[in-house]
Amino acid sequence: AQSVTQLGSHVSVSEGALVLLRCNYSSSVPPYLFWYVQYPNQGLQLLLKYTSAATLVKGINGFEAEFKKSETSFHLTKPSAHMSDAAEYFCAVSGNTGNQFYFGTGTSLTVIP
Amino acid sequence: DGGITQSPKYLFRKEGQNVTLSCEQNLNHDAMYWYRQDPGQGLRLIYYSQIVNDFQKGDIAEGYSVSREKKESFPLTVTSAQKNPTAFYLCASTHRSSNQPQHFGDGTRLSIL
Repeated sequence: AQSVTQLGSHVSVSEGALVLLRCNYSSSVPPYLFWYVQYPNQGLQLLLKYTSAATLVKGINGFEAEFKKSETSFHLTKPSAHMSDAAEYFCAVSGNTGNQFYFGTGTSLTVIP
Repeated sequence: DGGITQSPKYLFRKEGQNVTLSCEQNLNHDAMYWYRQDPGQGLRLIYYSQIVNDFQKGDIAEGYSVSREKKESFPLTVTSAQKNPTAFYLCASTHRSSNQPQHFGDGTRLSIL
């Protein structure tokens, strides 16, 4: 069975500071991992995905994530937060059966000017 | 441009009424999904379909029904049996391969009159 845990339902950072959003996964098979962003009253937009090609994955808007098998983690980072980064962020895992995705409960990012 | 179209954006339901949410995709994706989103609970899977004329229940299927008569379309009906239908509903689609991300529509917000 697959699942993801996002530590911290709310994260606040100052504009220009490092963004770190945490995601830990549980999977009995090699996982495919994804980060999505959601702005108010909109759908989810893909930020980046890990599909075993490289452990450090670069995404859109300056975000990146590192797959660490030993820690079963896939944390999302951005060196310098911008006001436009304020949104809800979801980590998701997909396994090999049924095309089902399992989403974390989300982390709401606030950027303080 | 290819994408997923959900309609309407906002929908109101009267007591005892069934309402249908539309989801259309022109991405030529095989699999389609319906999620319910409530504050602080992330995304919960209602139904999914991997092929035309076939669909499976997700975690919270009670009070909902779907059909998949065409590859492009996956409408969701919220029946009167769903006693707490107020939520944000998201439709998604993906290729059958599990290493491909899900693409999302912009959602439908359903409220009770």
